[in-house]
Amino acid sequence: QKEVEQNSGPLSVPEGAIASLNCTYSDRGSQSFFWYRQYSGKSPELIMFIYSNGDKEDGRFTAQLNKASQYVSLLIRDSQPSDSATYLCAVIGAQKLVFGQGTRLTINP
Amino acid sequence: GAGVSQTPSNKVTEKGKYVELRCDPISGHTALYWYRQSLGQGPEFLIYFQGTGAADDSGLPNDRFFAVRPEGSVSTLKIQRTERGDSAVYLCASSSMTGGGYGYTFGSGTRLTVV
Repeated sequence: QKEVEQNSGPLSVPEGAIASLNCTYSDRGSQSFFWYRQYSGKSPELIMFIYSNGDKEDGRFTAQLNKASQYVSLLIRDSQPSDSATYLCAVIGAQKLVFGQGTRLTINP
Repeated sequence: GAGVSQTPSNKVTEKGKYVELRCDPISGHTALYWYRQSLGQGPEFLIYFQGTGAADDSGLPNDRFFAVRPEGSVSTLKIQRTERGDSAVYLCASSSMTGGGYGYTFGSGTRLTVV
């Protein structure tokens, strides 16, 4: 079992809708969780991190964490074509980030 | 510097040759990480430096790969006897916090192509 699992997609969402990206992790002791956005041909860019159970909101982005279910998600409200990218979930493991394979998101105008 | 700088941005080399990839982290960041990313995959951990020493090199795939950070700032990833399977984007990241607790800042990467 991979440490961090994501559906590779592609996930297609109409412009203006809510995009929901999901991630599960295997290490029950993990404490810190991150979402990165990666545009094609570019390097990953940190968009959110979350440490506590529940929701954390930043503008159009909401990260949700459920440690009991070992599940973390990212919601993007009012999706824009500029949100089209690969979204990487990452978890701190042994003092380093462990990444999932990423979910490719396409926002359709 | 203002961001993490990686050079070269692209490197094409012949199978069997030696290559060096350079990373200049954000000034003052003590933690430095190397990752490798293949097409359609997430970044894969290679090695992590805290200061000058390699705190964790468990991700280096074999002894052809080696990395140094002699003065606790710039790091060089060295690959000997390159193979076509080494072709990937090599990403460097730095963090002000040990263990990357606030996430990393990545450089723009070096795209290595072994022909």
